[in-house]
Amino acid sequence: DAGVIQSPRHEVTEMGQEVTLRCKPISGHNSLFWYRQTMMRGLELLIYFNNNVPIDDSGMPEDRFSAKMPNASFSTLKIQPSEPRDSAVYFCASSTTGGYQPQHFGDGTRLSIL
Amino acid sequence: DAKTTQPPSMDCAEGRAANLPCNHSTISGNEYVYWYRQIHSQGPQYIIHGLKNNETNEMASLIITEDRKSSTLILPHATLRDTAVYYCIVRVANNAGNNRKLIWGLGTSLAVNP
Repeated sequence: DAGVIQSPRHEVTEMGQEVTLRCKPISGHNSLFWYRQTMMRGLELLIYFNNNVPIDDSGMPEDRFSAKMPNASFSTLKIQPSEPRDSAVYFCASSTTGGYQPQHFGDGTRLSIL
Repeated sequence: DAKTTQPPSMDCAEGRAANLPCNHSTISGNEYVYWYRQIHSQGPQYIIHGLKNNETNEMASLIITEDRKSSTLILPHATLRDTAVYYCIVRVANNAGNNRKLIWGLGTSLAVNP
């Protein structure tokens, strides 16, 4: 079975540019999570969706970050304008809703802002 | 969500059991204990979870103390491929349709040595 699919795997761009990260959750999963991982701060939840609706975006660093989930099989995380401090690995995870269902992670996008 | 405390690093000989401890002394009655691991350059991988009974699956066993203030993840026969960072997390299981977010600590870096 296909797992969570993220693209691109690596992204290098100059500061000020717009960056768009993409995620395809596991089919049938109706919860989707965006995380950021850095050496200094570890793994941080940025936002999560249930049934395509954002539930908690308190982890989104600032207005430069935005996330959308137009349908059950696709989500984007956008940074505009990007800054060097946004450099990190960004993970997407999905799960079924409710109870104790575990989250399944993609392999991440390694983002470098020069 | 309750905080967890784990040793920053551990070593284990290949073929031996790896016992990874976790303290969660402020855990509430309805909070589950989850274990994930993250192999270098990959996304976190779900291992196992439990509430108060010991649990076993094809990957590991989870032993939770009777007072639920600590737990141990056991990899019965560690291999080199088990070298990873192991995260212990407690999370409320919410059946109301909202997945509660996971609060990640720094985990235990397990090195399995030949």
